[in-house]
Amino acid sequence: DAGVTQSPTHLIKTRGQQVTLRCSPISGHKSVSWYQQVLGQGPQFIFQYYEKEERGRGNFPDRFSARQFPNYSSELNVNALLLGDSALYLCASSLAVVGSYGYTFGSGTRLTVV
Amino acid sequence: GQQLNQSPQSMFIQEGEDVSMNCTSSSIFNTWLWYKQEPGEGPVLLIALYKAGELTSNGRLTAQFGITRKDSFLNISASIPSDVGIYFCAGQGAQKLVFGQGTRLTINP
Repeated sequence: DAGVTQSPTHLIKTRGQQVTLRCSPISGHKSVSWYQQVLGQGPQFIFQYYEKEERGRGNFPDRFSARQFPNYSSELNVNALLLGDSALYLCASSLAVVGSYGYTFGSGTRLTVV
Repeated sequence: GQQLNQSPQSMFIQEGEDVSMNCTSSSIFNTWLWYKQEPGEGPVLLIALYKAGELTSNGRLTAQFGITRKDSFLNISASIPSDVGIYFCAGQGAQKLVFGQGTRLTINP
């Protein structure tokens, strides 16, 4: 069975541009969460979606948005990119809103803003 | 953003040595998790702790959930080269995980 898949794996964007990152959860998992991991730090929570509804939002500006589709895949959008948005963006899937059965992470998308 | 206090930040040990790292929080968590991350990969779950005072093992790894529910530790016994990586603790909140800053483990053969 496929794990959590994220695309693209690497991305280089210019300041001010917009970016869309994609995530497909494990089959049967209905919840997708997004995390930002800056180099040398632990992952920071951005969003959680369950059954296509936003269930949690971290302390990130409105330039960050996300959505979940009927097939439970998800997109993370970041507008007006800043140099500080350079990071590894991780997607995690779980069976339910509260990850009682654990969160499984994808390998991430490495975003570089120049 | 909120982070847990994890120490040490890095460890340089000889193969075969035991390793100990810990994590503290100002907030209570009902679940503590330990993850390992290798270069180019996402975090992989090692151990999950669900009950205060619980001691859980996974092979050479042992983790404990503190009685106050504000701390946890991870021990690795008889380290081997494949243990190299960054270890993260995480407290599980309502809809999110709160991570520590990580402990980078380097092993000299």
